[in-house]
Amino acid sequence: DTEVTQTPKHLVMGMTNKKSLKCEQHMGHRAMYWYKQKAKKPPELMFVYSYEKLSINESVPSRFSPECPNSSLLNLHLHALQPEDSALYLCASSQIQGQGYGYTFGSGTRLTVV
Amino acid sequence: DQQVKQNSPSLSVQEGRISILNCDYTNSMFDYFLWYKKYPAEGPTFLISISSIKDKNEDGRFTVFLNKSAKHLSLHIVPSQPGDSAVYFCAASAMNQGGKLIFGQGTELSVKP
Repeated sequence: DTEVTQTPKHLVMGMTNKKSLKCEQHMGHRAMYWYKQKAKKPPELMFVYSYEKLSINESVPSRFSPECPNSSLLNLHLHALQPEDSALYLCASSQIQGQGYGYTFGSGTRLTVV
Repeated sequence: DQQVKQNSPSLSVQEGRISILNCDYTNSMFDYFLWYKKYPAEGPTFLISISSIKDKNEDGRFTVFLNKSAKHLSLHIVPSQPGDSAVYFCAASAMNQGGKLIFGQGTELSVKP
């Protein structure tokens, strides 16, 4: 299995809702990442997990809450989002953190906040 | 502060000709450079990479050139095919920044039959 699987593919949520994005990989990668991509912009790093521990938080607002329950799973919990948070949320993994290569990206979750 | 820049938002090339996509960077600590290809509504797909200790890496139709003194890299696609039409992102990473990827703004390549 050489894929990163993200669910759901599309999500529409209200500003008072609570939802979660899920990411799964079975490549034995020990680093996992959340990126956010707005239209016509490059992906921007949000969080990095290394060996199930939060390694990097790029000053992301607390309405985004990451969780890494085990080495294969990465969640992003969403609460009280704003319309400007609408974007494509990408998960990625790599064998270990610190390598700039060997990232595998998922197809993303297209999030719309209404 | 844009550490990785792709100054051409779009590029149009005839099928069979060469496509040259350019990327400039400012951080001299970057030690690895990558090119990703992205179709709409999909995640980026890794294409080719180069370590900072090399100046060229080739994989089939794709070649990446790195000019460290100019802080410039380029991706050559020869011959270009209509299926190459996509957005191409240049990315860079530095070990002292935790290996996180910093992306350029992307260049949309259109290969016309």
